Amino acid sequence: AQKVTQAQTEISVVEKEDVTLDCVYETRDTTYYLFWYKQPPSGELVFLIRRNSFDEQNEISGRYSWNFQKSTSSFNFTITASQVVDSAVYFCALSDLSWTGKLIFGQGTTLQVKP
Amino acid sequence: DVKVTQSSRYLVKRTGEKVFLECVQDMDHENMFWYRQDPGLGLRLIYFSYDVKMKEKGDIPEGYSVSREKKERFSLILESASTNQTSMYLCASSWTSGRLYETQYFGPGTRLLVL
Repeated sequence: AQKVTQAQTEISVVEKEDVTLDCVYETRDTTYYLFWYKQPPSGELVFLIRRNSFDEQNEISGRYSWNFQKSTSSFNFTITASQVVDSAVYFCALSDLSWTGKLIFGQGTTLQVKP
Repeated sequence: DVKVTQSSRYLVKRTGEKVFLECVQDMDHENMFWYRQDPGLGLRLIYFSYDVKMKEKGDIPEGYSVSREKKERFSLILESASTNQTSMYLCASSWTSGRLYETQYFGPGTRLLVL
């Protein structure tokens, strides 16, 4: 069965600290996508990144970086020099292989960045 | 720029009422999805549609129906609202690319309260 685990329920940091959000997934297939979404208090799920299972190259986008390791089935997300505006719930998700195309979401990690 | 809109951000309805939640996307996506999000249960797929007039049940379709008469619009219908349908409803859309579905883009969500 496919599953996404975000073990960290809540994380609290002080502004400018670096923070890493963990994501571990389970899938039986060799071809899949992994995603990160951000959900600010307004409620909308904002797409951050998609990773193809064949591409293990790490990615950096500004203060955000992602570390994908197939050997450990992990897709971790690091925010460097966190800011108050980063406060949100972050979801890791895996593309379902059934024909519904649904996303399998982790439970989410609530990040609070204090000034 | 991708755009998914939902007809209401907040909705209050009475038990037994028929409720319509509308979702519109302007990206010419084939696929559209309805999820509900509840604390402790995460995001769960209610229904999805892969083409006009085509629909498939997700994980929790009971008590819901959907309608897709035009490619850009996907409606979720609560035939007779009940208090256990109080939730956050999120609409999403995506292209289809080969076997894997592409990135899902989400609307702002509708917070529904059934009294």
